[in-house]
Amino acid sequence: IAGITQAPTSQILAAGRRMTLRCTQDMRHNAMYWYRQDLGLGLRLIHYSNTAGTTGKGEVPDGYSVSRANTDDFPLTLASAVPSQTSVYFCASSDSASGGADTQYFGPGTRLTVL
Amino acid sequence: GQNIDQPTEMTATEGAIVQINCTYQTSGFNGLFWYQQHAGEAPTFLSYNVLDGLEEKGRFSSFLSRSKGYSYLLLKELQMKDSASYLCAVRDSNYQLIWGAGTKLIIKP
Repeated sequence: IAGITQAPTSQILAAGRRMTLRCTQDMRHNAMYWYRQDLGLGLRLIHYSNTAGTTGKGEVPDGYSVSRANTDDFPLTLASAVPSQTSVYFCASSDSASGGADTQYFGPGTRLTVL
Repeated sequence: GQNIDQPTEMTATEGAIVQINCTYQTSGFNGLFWYQQHAGEAPTFLSYNVLDGLEEKGRFSSFLSRSKGYSYLLLKELQMKDSASYLCAVRDSNYQLIWGAGTKLIIKP
């Protein structure tokens, strides 16, 4: 079934540890995004990639890094986790980064708790 | 700064009609989206407006007024499965989506 997968589904992590959240899509979408969702706040963009080989910073990039080696995969890395990074993380993809009804499709999310 | 405002929570009765409002102030405008998000799940696309007016899709309709920075989502013939959060998002001049915090809709029998 076409779509976006994320792993792990949930994770409890000790502060200071390194963690990579995985995201894979099989829709051959050019653009991919990482958001975090916190209670009472809207989705906030962490990093994005308009096409393979390029990445950009979103609204809240500090403490996170991404890479886009190919079209399908867009991993998000927390180099040294802190409790404020406790959140639900959503990966999304879209066919094009601009114009038209360019719908973003979301993965099921990763619930991360940093203690 | 950029801002999307929508009510935090609304309650409606099964079979009725409910209107969820969204006002926005963004740097540029390249379309407005509505998404539905059930508890513990991912957001899913509902509608897209880029021109003023009403877009109808089954029981759901979305309206846009760019001059007023205003949109609403209209849900008719409410069903229990419509209990969810409804997220308003505006695509800004950088073609990034700016998201509202969402409106939690509670449907009562």
